Amino acid sequence: QKEVEQDPGPLSVPEGAIVSLNCTYSNSAFQYFMWYRQYSRKGPELLMYTYSSGNKEDGRFTAQVDKSSKYISLFIRDSQPSDSATYLCAMSGGANAGKSTFGDGTTLTVKP
Amino acid sequence: GAVVSQHPSWVICKSGTSVKIECRSLDFQATTMFWYRQFPKQSLMLMATSNEGSKATYEQGVEKDKFLINHASLTLSTLTVTSAHPEDSSFYICSVWTSGTQYFGPGTRLLVL
Repeated sequence: QKEVEQDPGPLSVPEGAIVSLNCTYSNSAFQYFMWYRQYSRKGPELLMYTYSSGNKEDGRFTAQVDKSSKYISLFIRDSQPSDSATYLCAMSGGANAGKSTFGDGTTLTVKP
Repeated sequence: GAVVSQHPSWVICKSGTSVKIECRSLDFQATTMFWYRQFPKQSLMLMATSNEGSKATYEQGVEKDKFLINHASLTLSTLTVTSAHPEDSSFYICSVWTSGTQYFGPGTRLLVL
């Protein structure tokens, strides 16, 4: 079993929809939780970063971490065609401090 | 956040040749840099951890004699793919770690013919 599980999708939504992306993990030592957006043929771009549990909001993006359930989410409100990309969750901590463990990524398409 | 650059952004080479990829941390002194490889429609796979002034640490299954890493300064790490073969064709991405998170370079696309 992988340390980080992420549904690869693909996920297709109409413009303006609320998108929910999720990851589960098994390593309870993880403390840092990140979401990256990766466009085709580009390096990952950091979207959101959360330490420990809780919510964090940045514009149309909200990240949630539930350490008790080992479950993290990224919500995108009012989705735009420009949000079409692959979204990667990543986490680190404990013995993995200093390097991240990644999910496989979810491919999102927002249709105009 | 940290700004990371890579050069070249893409390279095509013949089988058997060596290719060097540079990773620079532009606004941050990085004692550690990470090298990842990403095949199409797959996630990032950590290849090695580059340590300034000492030997790199390679992940299991990564040949250290094939993927040479040099971290000569706090702002530059290089990855050399030696005797490249078509199966080495991939997207190579470096990153730095700071303040609890990782920042990635734009990646280098390698095509070995």
